[in-house]
Amino acid sequence: DAGVIQSPRHEVTEMGQEVTLRCKPISGHDYLFWYRQTMMRGLELLIYFNNNVPIDDSGMPEDRFSAKMPNASFSTLKIQPSEPRDSAVYFCASTPSTGYNEQFFGPGTRLTVL
Amino acid sequence: KQEVTQIPAALSVPEGENLVLNCSFTDSAIYNLQWFRQDPGKGLTSLLLIQSSQREQTSGRLNASLDKSSGRSTLYIAASQPGDSATYLCAVRFSGSARQLTFGSGTQLTVLP
Repeated sequence: DAGVIQSPRHEVTEMGQEVTLRCKPISGHDYLFWYRQTMMRGLELLIYFNNNVPIDDSGMPEDRFSAKMPNASFSTLKIQPSEPRDSAVYFCASTPSTGYNEQFFGPGTRLTVL
Repeated sequence: KQEVTQIPAALSVPEGENLVLNCSFTDSAIYNLQWFRQDPGKGLTSLLLIQSSQREQTSGRLNASLDKSSGRSTLYIAASQPGDSATYLCAVRFSGSARQLTFGSGTQLTVLP
C-alpha cells in the first residue's frame, strides 16, 4: 500500500486566496483525520470523518475552514479566504475501525500564506 | 482538561548510549498510547502502540512502557545511533474521546556521532 497520500506537498499563496488541500487515505481505512502542526501549538486535530461522515469538527478554527469527504478514497480541506496565520503543516491521517486503531499519517502539506 | 506532556523538549546524547524519553498524561482513563517519530520536514511515522491493558511493547531497539496509574509512558532506545535523531511524539487516545489522539509537544533527540 502507498500509505496516506497528500497533495500538494508545498503551497505558497497570497492572503485572501482560496487554498485546497487533498488527501487519499489508506484503502480500507474508514476513519480520516485532518491535523494542523505549528511551532506554537504543536499538533491539533481539526476534524475527523467516519465512513465519509464528519464526526467532530470542533477543532476547525473558523468558518473559513471547511472539509469534505465525497467518497472513501478522497478528502479535501479548504481555506477561504486564507490568512498569514493559517501558515502551518497540515497532516492527514487514517485508521481502520477494526484492530488497534493505529493512526497512519501522510507526509503533510506545508502551507505558507504571504 | 486532558493533556499530554513530554519532558525534556530536547535531548542530546553521544552515539551508543541507551536513553529514555518521557511522556505523562493527566487522565489515567486511556484507550491506547502511540509513539511517533518525526524527521525534519516529514510526516509522522508510527513506532509503537500500547493498548491500555498492556504494560509494554517492543520493536527492535525500541521499548515502550505504560503505567496508567501514574499517568506515564517511557520510550527506551537502546544503543542509540545518529540515525535515531528526530523528534519523538507521544499521543494518547483518552477513553470517551472516540478516535481522537491528544499529542505531546515532542522531544527533539540528537544522537552525536
